Amino acid sequence: SAVISQKPSRDICQRGTSLTIQCQVDSQVTMMFWYRQQPGQSLTLIATANQGSEATYESGFVIDKFPISRPNLTFSTLTVSNMSPEDSSIYLCSVERGMNTEAFFGQGTRLTVV
Amino acid sequence: GENVEQHPSTLSVQEGDSAVIKCTYSDSASNYFPWYKQELGKRPQLIIDIRSNVGEKKDQRIAVTLNKTAKHFSLHITETQPEDSAVYFCAARSLNTGFQKLVFGTGTRLLVSP
Repeated sequence: SAVISQKPSRDICQRGTSLTIQCQVDSQVTMMFWYRQQPGQSLTLIATANQGSEATYESGFVIDKFPISRPNLTFSTLTVSNMSPEDSSIYLCSVERGMNTEAFFGQGTRLTVV
Repeated sequence: GENVEQHPSTLSVQEGDSAVIKCTYSDSASNYFPWYKQELGKRPQLIIDIRSNVGEKKDQRIAVTLNKTAKHFSLHITETQPEDSAVYFCAARSLNTGFQKLVFGTGTRLLVSP
């Protein structure tokens, strides 16, 4: 298993500002992922956070809007930049210990942009 | 890339009945198919998964079947209980992706009435 601590759990932010979400894992993992889950919707992968190299972004997501850091094998951050109300969503980090193994999720960050 | 469709979007059953949720995938190279349960306000959690080298897997009241030829897989819950009420997501992972990327279905909201 994996214990994932994600914070903040929720925040209300002004449009135009940025929020950095942190994800801490209890042990080293190779792959960390960031997802967005809009209200009542499925999980959409934003990017894969790779330790020692740049994150790999999915179609529709760009580094300028969602910069990601991965300084070591237990920690990652996702920043939501220049926020607008459309960025209001739940953001989740996820880790996997190996190919085709269980994905574990953080508790999520509920972001509201006003 | 991989595309996963999930049906139905909502499912209401009486306690004790069975529930079946179906997913189809597009990439014949997909080889890992997990199912996640997400209770309201909680993180997604794995309930069962199946790999492409088997056709069925059971865990108590939960079973998953996989038809590789037809590219679909299903979740079966027997003797449903009110605590089974949640949103269920299927997912698929393809060997064709360069990273361990899961593609999620759109989700099924299951309501079990006492």
